[in-house]
Amino acid sequence: AQKVTQVQTEISVVEKEDVTLDCVYETRDTTYYLFWYKQPPSGELVFLIRRNSFDEQNEISGRYSWNFQKSTSSFNFTITASQVVDSAVYFCALSGNGGSNYKLTFGKGTLLTVNP
Amino acid sequence: EAQVTQNPRYLITVTGKKLTVTCSQNMNHEYMSWYRQDPGLGLRQIYYSMNVEVTDKGDVPEGYKVSRKEKRNFPLILESPSPNQTSLYFCASSLDPPGAGGYNEQFFGPGTRLTVL
Repeated sequence: AQKVTQVQTEISVVEKEDVTLDCVYETRDTTYYLFWYKQPPSGELVFLIRRNSFDEQNEISGRYSWNFQKSTSSFNFTITASQVVDSAVYFCALSGNGGSNYKLTFGKGTLLTVNP
Repeated sequence: EAQVTQNPRYLITVTGKKLTVTCSQNMNHEYMSWYRQDPGLGLRQIYYSMNVEVTDKGDVPEGYKVSRKEKRNFPLILESPSPNQTSLYFCASSLDPPGAGGYNEQFFGPGTRLTVL
């Protein structure tokens, strides 16, 4: 069975601080996909990034960056120079290509509060 | 506009009264799925569908039914709702299944907040 653990339940920072949200996963599949989603206070779920297990390159998109380390089964998300608009619940998710190919397993989420 | 729609957005009902939450997508996606979100538990998958007439259980299917008679629609049916099904429900769709690569990022509907008294 696959499992996703989001290390922090809640994080509170002051605007302009950098913040990292940690995600650790478990899977027996050799090929799998990792995702991050954002859920702002308005409630919708917004796709942020997808990473497959064969691509360990880090990715940067503006103030967002992701660090995928297969050796530690982690897929961490960093926001640089955080802003109040970054306040949201962030979910890490995993899907494998074996028997769980069609299932998406989410972590329990990390509530990020960015204070002005 | 490409989107996933759900109806109703809010529903208060009583135990045992059958209800259906509709989900529709206009992106010609083959994969659709239902999730429930509960405080402290994140999102958990209820059912998913690979294509028309192809559905399967997720992690928490008890008390729910689904059908996929048309590609665009994937209703969630609660035959006899109970208070423990009070939750926020999300429908999602993607062109490819989450673990299959390709266009596998899921697009989510706005959510349906269900209260069962």
